[in-house]
Amino acid sequence: EAQVTQNPRYLITVTGKKLTVTCSQNMNHEYMSWYRQDPGLGLRQIYYSMNVEVTDKGDVPEGYKVSRKEKRNFPLILESPSPNQTSLYFCASMRTSGQIAQYFGPGTRLLVL
Amino acid sequence: QKEVEQNSGPLSVPEGAIASLNCTYSDRGSQSFFWYRQYSGKSPELIMFIYSNGDKEDGRFTAQLNKASQYVSLLIRDSQPSDSATYLCAVNPPGSGYNKLIFGAGTRLAVHP
Repeated sequence: EAQVTQNPRYLITVTGKKLTVTCSQNMNHEYMSWYRQDPGLGLRQIYYSMNVEVTDKGDVPEGYKVSRKEKRNFPLILESPSPNQTSLYFCASMRTSGQIAQYFGPGTRLLVL
Repeated sequence: QKEVEQNSGPLSVPEGAIASLNCTYSDRGSQSFFWYRQYSGKSPELIMFIYSNGDKEDGRFTAQLNKASQYVSLLIRDSQPSDSATYLCAVNPPGSGYNKLIFGAGTRLAVHP
């Protein structure tokens, strides 16, 4: 089954405590992305990756880091979380050869106190 | 001006009617357009992708592009209560490849029996 998994699904943390949200896909897709979703703002792209070791900034990269050491994994790192990073986060992977297909993970709801 | 704009709705249509959702974009060079459906509390799901060379029909869904006026529409024929969701539009900025996406804030559709 085509799947994008994210962990954790829910997280409450405090300002400044480093955290990592993992993302993994089982479809051998080259493209992966991270988004945050906030009420009234829709989805905003944080970072994306076109392949292993190839990443680029989206529209709201400040305060986030990513890495792509393996094709299947694309973790999102918050080195020093702040309350304005409280949001719902989605990871996604995309196939661009043949018919375009994109799959989203189930989301990670983060609360930074 | 936002790069991608959608009317937040709710757009209310009776069951069996055609629902028409619009999305305007600011960059005239945009060439790829995506429509997603997002049920409350769930992840977005890609339902339509069109390139700038033409419209597309898939079952009850039709995506139409009006390049002159810079908007893309999603038509849902024979609307069903199960179509009630938020519909997100996304656009590829020119020269960015498929992976960089700018989203609208979404239109909430309510189909009533």
